[in-house]
Amino acid sequence: QKEVEQNSGPLSVPEGAIASLNCTYSDRGSQSFFWYRQYSGKSPELIMSIYSNGDKEDGRFTAQLNKASQYVSLLIRDSQPSDSATYLCAPPSQGNLIFGKGTKLSVKP
Amino acid sequence: DAGVIQSPRHEVTEMGQEVTLRCKPISGHNSLFWYRQTMMRGLELLIYFNNNVPIDDSGMPEDRFSAKMPNASFSTLKIQPSEPRDSAVYFCASSLRRGLNHNSNTDTQYFGPGTRLTVL
Repeated sequence: QKEVEQNSGPLSVPEGAIASLNCTYSDRGSQSFFWYRQYSGKSPELIMSIYSNGDKEDGRFTAQLNKASQYVSLLIRDSQPSDSATYLCAPPSQGNLIFGKGTKLSVKP
Repeated sequence: DAGVIQSPRHEVTEMGQEVTLRCKPISGHNSLFWYRQTMMRGLELLIYFNNNVPIDDSGMPEDRFSAKMPNASFSTLKIQPSEPRDSAVYFCASSLRRGLNHNSNTDTQYFGPGTRLTVL
């Protein structure tokens, strides 16, 4: 059984701080990872994908992947209230995406 | 492009009734996924199709659930008979996948707005 573990939160950070979201996964065959953001009452939307070990930066977002440790993280710099949402980690497994239950982030003004 | 289209957006029905959810994937995408989301279980994959063919339906909870994809632009998820525990948000997603090799990169999935199902 492939598993994805995320801290459910809620993770509360003040506006302007760095939010750190973490994810561990059990499938050693996973070659890429996706981070989705889901606002309350909305559908998930892709915000980042990462395919190789190391860091990938996109604006205020940085994804970090460590395949040896089966660990992926998402850093959000200069957090804004509009970043308040649930963040879902999704490594692929056997051709599908296995979604974690997500971490709820709350950015306080 | 209009994105993934789902209908209805909300459905309220009584236990025992048949429920049909509909999905139109993004034009040109060849893979379609049905998910169910609840607070307790998160986002669960129910079934996915590739080129209109069901590839993996191991996530379908019971025989009461069935899904079809008669053509590249339309899919249905049917629950018959419905039960209160089926209450959830059902999402459809589509992607343009490069292949079925599980070691290849999986393309981005684009989600529809979802159908909120309430079974009384």
